[in-house]
Amino acid sequence: NAGVMQNPRHLVRRRGQEARLRCSPMKGHSHVYWYRQLPEEGLKFMVYLQKENIIDESGMPKERFSAEFPKEGPSILRIQQVVRGDSAAYFCASSPRRGDQETQYFGPGTRLLVL
Amino acid sequence: KNQVEQSPQSLIILEGKNCTLQCNYTVSPFSNLRWYKQDTGRGPVSLTIMTFSENTKSNGRYTATLDADTKQSSLHITASQLSDSASYICVVSKGNMLTFGGGTRLMVKP
Repeated sequence: NAGVMQNPRHLVRRRGQEARLRCSPMKGHSHVYWYRQLPEEGLKFMVYLQKENIIDESGMPKERFSAEFPKEGPSILRIQQVVRGDSAAYFCASSPRRGDQETQYFGPGTRLLVL
Repeated sequence: KNQVEQSPQSLIILEGKNCTLQCNYTVSPFSNLRWYKQDTGRGPVSLTIMTFSENTKSNGRYTATLDADTKQSSLHITASQLSDSASYICVVSKGNMLTFGGGTRLMVKP
């Protein structure tokens, strides 16, 4: 059973370009979470999705950021018109169901660098 | 002010020694408290998870304690190994919302 997969592992973009980050949850997991980790800081929650639904996007900036988790395929975190401040590690986690005791399994992260 | 504060920020110990990492939180009420280990360049990996009614949870050489009255948790690492070098992150959850501490960077030297 492969773990949470994220790609690309590293992404370089120039200011104004778009960044698309992909996350394939563990097999059998239908809940996906995205987190951002700025250099030297802790992880910060961005968005929580279930298949085809956004459950909680309270941590995601209203502008330029969007997320989806289609019925088929990976979850996508999309950042439009990137700025230097978007440079960070973006982690995806998945869990099999909703619940306080559910462990979230993290992927290896995508490191975004905006030049 | 961060709702989950960890100390120390960084720690260097010799291989074989024990160490204790601290976590103070203000998130209340909360569902459970977790400790994660994050190796450099990797995603966090769960070590322990405790509900608010549990006092201690062990996972091999890792033992986590929780005092819900003082809102403090600690992670004790016994007989440290070089592979323990990583960041250790305290995470308090309220439903599906996780609040992460800034982590303690542990370096174990031979």
